[in-house]
Amino acid sequence: SAVISQKPSRDICQRGTSLTIQCQVDSQVTMMFWYRQQPGQSLTLIATANQGSEATYESGFVIDKFPISRPNLTFSTLTVSNMSPEDSSIYLCSGYSGNEAGDTQYFGPGTRLTVL
Amino acid sequence: QQQVKQSPQSLIVQKGGISIINCAYENTAFDYFPWYQQFPGKGPALLIAIRPDVSEKKEGRFTISFNKSAKQFSLHIMDSQPGDSATYFCAASMRSSNTGKLIFGQGTTLQVKP
Repeated sequence: SAVISQKPSRDICQRGTSLTIQCQVDSQVTMMFWYRQQPGQSLTLIATANQGSEATYESGFVIDKFPISRPNLTFSTLTVSNMSPEDSSIYLCSGYSGNEAGDTQYFGPGTRLTVL
Repeated sequence: QQQVKQSPQSLIVQKGGISIINCAYENTAFDYFPWYQQFPGKGPALLIAIRPDVSEKKEGRFTISFNKSAKQFSLHIMDSQPGDSATYFCAASMRSSNTGKLIFGQGTTLQVKP
């Protein structure tokens, strides 16, 4: 199994600023994903973080607002840019390793973001 | 259709009872159906998963029942314990797409009363 850590665990930010969230996996994973989860709600996929190339964004999410980097197979960052109170949410990263034995997506503990 | 519909939204069960959560999907290309458990302040953790070539999978007190023709699957928690109180998400994916993407249900908040 993979252990995923995220930094920071929580932050309170001012409107108009940006926050970068880091995601570290303790082993190489095939893919890394970034999700947003409103309290009490389900997970919404923001994008797939591609190693060495631009991330693949889901409908409704754009690179200018959520730039993502993945410089290697175990690390990724998500930046929430020009924040507004509507960006207050929990941001989760996950790592995926798929093979014939099984498909497992491991999640980090999340970053709780509050925008004032 | 990429949606996975989950019900009920919330569930209260007495200790020792059976908790049942249901999910339904439309896309017959889905071929992997995991259930995730999430405690407050934590990320979701894989609980149990099933592929459509079997109708049931059991791991301890947790069982997935899968009905391919009805495009439905459910999670049964036997002898429910207060420690099972959490939010449960069903999900679906297409291994053949090789994207690893999961489509999540809306979630069920389970409370097990002592």
